[in-house]
Amino acid sequence: QQQVKQSPQSLIVQKGGISIINCAYENTAFDYFPWYQQFPGKGPALLIAIRPDVSEKKEGRFTISFNKSAKQFSLHIMDSQPGDSATYFCAASRFSGGYNKLIFGAGTRLAVHP
Amino acid sequence: DSGVTQTPKHLITATGQRVTLRCSPRSGDLSVYWYQQSLDQGLQFLIQYYNGEERAKGNILERFSAQQFPDLHSELNLSSLELGDSALYFCASSASGTPYEQYFGPGTRLTVT
Repeated sequence: QQQVKQSPQSLIVQKGGISIINCAYENTAFDYFPWYQQFPGKGPALLIAIRPDVSEKKEGRFTISFNKSAKQFSLHIMDSQPGDSATYFCAASRFSGGYNKLIFGAGTRLAVHP
Repeated sequence: DSGVTQTPKHLITATGQRVTLRCSPRSGDLSVYWYQQSLDQGLQFLIQYYNGEERAKGNILERFSAQQFPDLHSELNLSSLELGDSALYFCASSASGTPYEQYFGPGTRLTVT
């Protein structure tokens, strides 16, 4: 019930294309769904996040789509650029009793080719 | 730069030894989280502290312990190290007003030989 399943494991996209990464969760108590971007040798960086009362959130070229009934959410990267090449992690958390641990997906390694 | 600092950046030690990893949260953040990142287990939550008190425990081994000091920096102590403890250890912090937003440090790469 605590798992977050992420797919695909790796993704190759041409410059200018759309990158799509999917995640699914089981625990309906989760109430916060962030995406993190990690470059080699760096820590994960918070990219964008969504709450379950919203079906879509857009920030620049990055969009989260959220389907509460299907317990799925996805990250869309529009006009993908070589600089977007990184590992992307979806996560979920439930803020309860003052603690807020993140449950991460396994990660997607994105390569954007010029 | 997230504002979270971690030292050391790299650590190489032998099996059976004990090490201490240090984390300084972003200015004003009261919550500190520790995560382990390994190839086979991915990113796993270890433990959370809030203003000096332990708030939540995840998959943290009994050989591991942590604490948060009055100045809010935190230390993760790993003892009786095994080869399988080799991993990246990340610290993250969050503000009281935005507890969901966790900001990660650059990590400490631990290699146990």
